[in-house]
Amino acid sequence: QSVLTQPPSASGTPGERVTISCSGSYSNIETNAAHWYQQLPGTAPKLLIYSNNHRPSGVPDRFSGSKSATSASLAISGLQSDDEAEYYCAAWDVSLNGWVFGGGTKLTVL
Amino acid sequence: QVQLVQSGGEVKKPGASVKVSCKASGYTFTSYGISWVRQAPGQGLEWMGWISPYHGYTNYAQRVQGRVSMTTDTSTDTAYLELRSLTSDDSAVYYCARDPARDRFQMPLYYFDYWGQGTLVTVSS
Repeated sequence: QSVLTQPPSASGTPGERVTISCSGSYSNIETNAAHWYQQLPGTAPKLLIYSNNHRPSGVPDRFSGSKSATSASLAISGLQSDDEAEYYCAAWDVSLNGWVFGGGTKLTVL
Repeated sequence: QVQLVQSGGEVKKPGASVKVSCKASGYTFTSYGISWVRQAPGQGLEWMGWISPYHGYTNYAQRVQGRVSMTTDTSTDTAYLELRSLTSDDSAVYYCARDPARDRFQMPLYYFDYWGQGTLVTVSS
């Protein structure tokens, strides 16, 4: 059971906008920033969004993040077939004194 | 460019130990921390711990505390993860990741900005 809660799956058609939620608590998301990682099939995770809503260089602006209280969200607009991947949220947990992850959301582009 | 290159896959028997390496290049090794994250087959990501190559300070996850050791060799810019008393639950892909936190108090402020390719560790009798 993951400390952060994500829906196991999400889907959309090309061009659509999809959002993925990440629910936590005071000790993690409310107190610290949320980050998002994208894991394409058979590859290592890659930083997608950091500090709630910042994109690393090279990440398209179709990807955006937000945070409110104990929840964070990842939005992907203009969905493309190569966005099919597993998406993980993460945050520092002050009670556990360590990093916690969501269980991952598998995104399917129909 | 920043690269983290990990050692090859390992097959171990229950009760044995495994040591995985992660060689860094393209940046000043001692200016960043290294975290280790594992992923069991078909499962999500689990943080195992962090080490500062500058200080040698470590911060281990409670779940593996007592069985894990993280070290670095600054002469070769390489980080190591050793896990002891292996069980089948330790079968996973192990990733190293660069962590901009250089000190323990900085850890909540950052994230993992580059990842190694992963090392598959299989524990089987």
